[in-house]
Amino acid sequence: AAGVIQSPRHLIKEKRETATLKCYPIPRHDTVYWYQQGPGQDPQFLISFYEKMQSDKGSIPDRFSAQQFSDYHSELNMSSLELGDSALYFCASSLESNQPQHFGDGTRLSIL
Amino acid sequence: AQKVTQAQTEISVVEKEDVTLDCVYETRDTTYYLFWYKQPPSGELVFLIRRNSFDEQNEISGRYSWNFQKSTSSFNFTITASQVVDSAVYFCALSGPAQGGSEKLVFGKGTKLTVNP
Repeated sequence: AAGVIQSPRHLIKEKRETATLKCYPIPRHDTVYWYQQGPGQDPQFLISFYEKMQSDKGSIPDRFSAQQFSDYHSELNMSSLELGDSALYFCASSLESNQPQHFGDGTRLSIL
Repeated sequence: AQKVTQAQTEISVVEKEDVTLDCVYETRDTTYYLFWYKQPPSGELVFLIRRNSFDEQNEISGRYSWNFQKSTSSFNFTITASQVVDSAVYFCALSGPAQGGSEKLVFGKGTKLTVNP
């Protein structure tokens, strides 16, 4: 079965650079979520989209923005990167609001 | 506010032992959903189970079983006859009713399970 696809799998950036993470949800899933997981931490909710509209927002820094496109894929844009942004970034998708979220393999972002 | 507590930070067992991972939650919602996810050393998050607040039936799936008790706000996870491949971090998570078509997950801190041969 098709799963959530995230790219890239690994990304290395320097401080103050920008990064774009991409997420392709499971086909027909209409909701996308982004989570950030720091080393040894639990995943923290950043932002979600339902039918291409932002539906909820968590602890997402102002330096980050995201959107969901007409084909339902989503991108997380990160600017002025800081050392503390080093983390595993997960995208998840679900079909309708009351169905389980299925996670991609994550993008590991390292800031040097 | 929603909160999930996994009091066991790390558990170590020997293969074939049974092990129970505890999860206690807090929420003011009357409708909510509880989840367990597995995160093996490779890093991905694997969905294991989802229960809604109106279904307190225990569930069994192979060696896995879940005990949901609303009276104690607990949703515990038991692995029977553990195997080395069960070694992972296990997260319990909670979500409330959907807001605008989505329901974010609030995770516990996770329990790292090590199964030794």
